[in-house]
Amino acid sequence: QKEVEQNSGPLSVPEGAIASLNCTYSDRVSQSFFWYRQYSGKSPELIMSIYSNGDKEDGRFTAQLNKASQYVSLLIRDSQPSDSATYLCAVLRGDAGNMLTFGGGTRLMVKP
Amino acid sequence: NAGVTQTPKFRILKIGQSMTLQCAQDMNHNYMYWYRQDPGMGLKLIYYSVGAGITDKGEVPNGYNVSRSTTEDFPLRLELAAPSQTSVYFCASSYLGQFTEAFFGQGTRLTVV
Repeated sequence: QKEVEQNSGPLSVPEGAIASLNCTYSDRVSQSFFWYRQYSGKSPELIMSIYSNGDKEDGRFTAQLNKASQYVSLLIRDSQPSDSATYLCAVLRGDAGNMLTFGGGTRLMVKP
Repeated sequence: NAGVTQTPKFRILKIGQSMTLQCAQDMNHNYMYWYRQDPGMGLKLIYYSVGAGITDKGEVPNGYNVSRSTTEDFPLRLELAAPSQTSVYFCASSYLGQFTEAFFGQGTRLTVV
């Protein structure tokens, strides 16, 4: 099992819809979780971080964490074509000296 | 502040050549990371460092070496380049490593021919 897993997509949603991106992780002691957005040919940029169970909202973005199920998700409300990018889930692994480990990313396409 | 600076941005190497990818940060971050990203894939950790003088292997360290003599700099050395090392390399840094975000450099696109 990979340490951090994501569906590679592409996930296609119409403009204005909610995009739901999911991530599972294997390390039960991980405490820090991140969502990065990466446009083609660019470096990743942080859009959300979450450390506690539950939801965390920032504008159109909501991160959800369930440590019991080892699951973290990202919801994007009112999706815009400019949200089209690859979304990378990252976990700071407590079982491995605080290695920051990334999933393979999910490509999101928002169609006008 | 410049953030995380990587040089060069692009490089073509011949098989068997060696080179050093430079990474510098001016944010006084203690954690630094090197990742590679193959086309259409996620980031794979090559090496990381939790402070000056301390380095650890990541998921894919073979064919690479690193050093961390100062807080600011974390160069990645490729010895005997192989076509399998063709990739985009990203350096990142973060403070303390817990409850903080990692900042990325612009990347180095390396082609080995």
